[in-house]
Amino acid sequence: KNQVEQSPQSLIILEGKNCTLQCNYTVSPFSNLRWYKQDTGRGPVSLTIMTFSENTKSNGRYTATLDADTKQSSLHITASQLSDSASYICVVPSGGSYIPTFGRGTSLIVHP
Amino acid sequence: ETGVTQTPRHLVMGMTNKKSLKCEQHLGHNAMYWYKQSAKKPLELMFVYSLEERVENNSVPSRFSPECPNSSHLFLHLHTLQPEDSALYLCASSQGGSQVSGNTIYFGEGSWLTVV
Repeated sequence: KNQVEQSPQSLIILEGKNCTLQCNYTVSPFSNLRWYKQDTGRGPVSLTIMTFSENTKSNGRYTATLDADTKQSSLHITASQLSDSASYICVVPSGGSYIPTFGRGTSLIVHP
Repeated sequence: ETGVTQTPRHLVMGMTNKKSLKCEQHLGHNAMYWYKQSAKKPLELMFVYSLEERVENNSVPSRFSPECPNSSHLFLHLHTLQPEDSALYLCASSQGGSQVSGNTIYFGEGSWLTVV
């Protein structure tokens, strides 16, 4: 069964601190993994896409890593800002299928 | 502004009503999607229209009926819904259709649906 597990479920950090969100998947065959940011009451916005051959990809203060052998990905946020408060969702498309597998997301709250 | 516009943003309807959600994308994409997001649950893909061919999640009940008149417009017709259908309904689009190809999906702001 294709699954995407994210941890932690929720996280509270102080502004300026770093944090790392985890995503473990069992989707097969694997083609790519995406991280989305969803602000409260709004639609998700793509942060990064990781393909099989990519180990690390950065988008500003966001850095995603992928270990295809252990089927794990992480999203590292550096020098957090209040605007980083959101839900971060990991998504892995099922190979050959239009139906992707979504993680439940990690709810991040950044306090001043 | 993501280029995907949904209306209405909020909808309250009774279980015997018939209503529709509308989505329009201004990105020139050739695939459009409906997703459902319930509280504390992962996003759930309901329907995909790619090159005007429909692909659906077999677990979606028949009280949800999609319509895609062209590549820029997508509707979700709602009929005799249940209170448990209350959720955020997100429309999205992409170029290329298949998510396997790695194309980014652009989401609308969503339509909040409450069934009473």
